[in-house]
Order: sequence, then C-alpha cells, then structure tokens
Amino acid sequence: GEDVEQSLFLSVREGDSSVINCTYTDSSSTYLYWYKQEPGAGLQLLTYIFSNMDMKQDQRLTVLLNKKDKHLSLRIADTQTGDSAIYFCAESMDAGKSTFGDGTTLTVKP
Amino acid sequence: DTEVTQTPKHLVMGMTNKKSLKCEQHMGHRAMYWYKQKAKKPPELMFVYSYEKLSINESVPSRFSPECPNSSLLNLHLHALQPEDSALYLCASSQARAGEQFFGPGTRLTVL
Repeated sequence: GEDVEQSLFLSVREGDSSVINCTYTDSSSTYLYWYKQEPGAGLQLLTYIFSNMDMKQDQRLTVLLNKKDKHLSLRIADTQTGDSAIYFCAESMDAGKSTFGDGTTLTVKP
Repeated sequence: DTEVTQTPKHLVMGMTNKKSLKCEQHMGHRAMYWYKQKAKKPPELMFVYSYEKLSINESVPSRFSPECPNSSLLNLHLHALQPEDSALYLCASSQARAGEQFFGPGTRLTVL
C-alpha cells in the first residue's frame, strides 16, 4: 500500500533556511501536498505540486519533486519563529484519499 | 468565504451520550471529509462524501454516523463512544474528489 515517510524533527535558527524531506512509495501519486499544523489548530494547506512538475515556488516556499526517487522536499527561506509547527507531507492518487506522513516538527530558535 | 467552519470547538461527553459535530463550507466544494487525529499523529481518514453521497467509509465503527444534509453541511453523529475515541476531529472539503483539501480548525472531543 501507500507509505509516506518524513523525519520527525528539525531545528533551525531564525533567518536560516529549513528543508523538510518526504519520501513516498506510490508511483501513481497525482498530487503531493504540504500542510502546516500549529498547536491546537487544524491543518493549513501550504502548497501542492502535481506529479508532472519538478518544482514550484510560492514566496518563501519552494517545493522540489524528484519523481524518479519519489522524494519531495519543502524549503522555507528566511525561517521565522512563526514557522514553528508540524509539517505534514501527503500524497494522493485516488481522488478523495490522501496518505499523510507522520509529520515533521519544525522548531525555530531565535 | 474561503474557510471551513466546525462546531463545537470543544466537546466533552460521557459514554452514554449522543452528540453531533457540525461542519460547514460555502466554497461550492462538492467533496467533504471527516478525519480523526490523535495527538502528534497524522490525520486518519474516516469518511468521504462526494456530491452528498457517501463514497468512502474507512471501516469506521457504527458508533460514528456521518450525514450530509446538503452540499454545504456535513455532520458526524456520535453515540456510545469509548474513551479511546477522544481525539481532534477534522472536517475538510475540496472542489471535487480530486484536488487540494481545505481543513477546518477541528473539534477537540473528550470522552469520559
């Protein structure tokens, strides 16, 4: 079945770049997503990429997709303390069913 | 209106109670979802409604009963829950069954 893996923790200093990595197993994935979840809140869709794209940039966020290696990354430039949260990678092939990774807890130190 | 709203924000119930969670969106989305999320874990899909019809039920116990009265509303009826059902219940919607999902803030449920 589908499997999505992420490293559990990442700690960076304010102003540095953060890179959160994700690997997935289903080569039929059509959409790949990054969600942000702050404590006690729901999931906020940050960005997504279609499987036929290699890169997508949106302000401070850059998503890179290596479809051959089934590797997805999210780069946050100029990381701020407000970026501290859990980041979930998710993939979707079948409409309606997304598989989520376990989430990466990003801690930004001043 | 570009958000998904959920009520109540918090709910505490006993194992013999009957309660309902409510979700609403006015983005014209035709797919709506219920997820269960335990602390520090990813969301687990429970149900998917597409065009007001139940299309996916991820083997959820019958003590959870979803309802989609119209294209903007999604309810989750709760009855005879167990303490292990305590979790954050998230609602989401999407344009159709494909595409990005927009999540509500969730209902924090505690079963005593």
